[in-house]
Amino acid sequence: EPEVTQTPSHQVTQMGQEVILRCVPISNHLYFYWYRQILGQKVEFLVSFYNNEISEKSEIFDDQFSVERPDGSNFTLKIRSTKLEDSAMYFCASIRGQGPNYGYTFGSGTRLTVV
Amino acid sequence: RKEVEQDPGPFNVPEGATVAFNCTYSNSASQSFFWYRQDCRKEPKLLMSVYSSGNEDGRFTAQLNRASQYISLLIRDSKLSDSATYLCVSNQGGKLIFGQGTELSVKP
Repeated sequence: EPEVTQTPSHQVTQMGQEVILRCVPISNHLYFYWYRQILGQKVEFLVSFYNNEISEKSEIFDDQFSVERPDGSNFTLKIRSTKLEDSAMYFCASIRGQGPNYGYTFGSGTRLTVV
Repeated sequence: RKEVEQDPGPFNVPEGATVAFNCTYSNSASQSFFWYRQDCRKEPKLLMSVYSSGNEDGRFTAQLNRASQYISLLIRDSKLSDSATYLCVSNQGGKLIFGQGTELSVKP
């Protein structure tokens, strides 16, 4: 079964440093997403990406965040200057199309710890 | 008011029990609904979609009531392996809105 692959599985970084979280979505999927889950809290939408541009972003996704699909296979989330409160699990997801019959596939996540 | 609201539990049940989870949503523009399962520190995994006509997948039955903005999940004959957090999810224009999740612990 096709998978969404995320690397690294765990990243520890110092406050103020830049991090890049990487995702390889399923190859024939067209819509890409980043979600995050702070420990003990619900999964929250960050950003959606389609046709090489952001289609929607949440209030969480401020100027410190950016996304890119640099080469047609990778989908990256960059946090420019990490804060302690950025510590969370970050999940990448992709879907082939939009509509109620299309299910999301989530990657296994990157656990980001900011110290 | 939370967009998707669930009883956080935990629900502690013996093997073989039937357990029901409830969920309410506030945005009537939500297009579709799902139940996801999440094991500790893992990614959410799709359990089933939820339709107004009700749908069943083995021991799992999901129901949607759009008039009362209410979603349910019934698990029959629960197994130890059903222990997880169950997430009620609405789809708003491609964006998933998650509930807090209901924790289920099935004991021998």
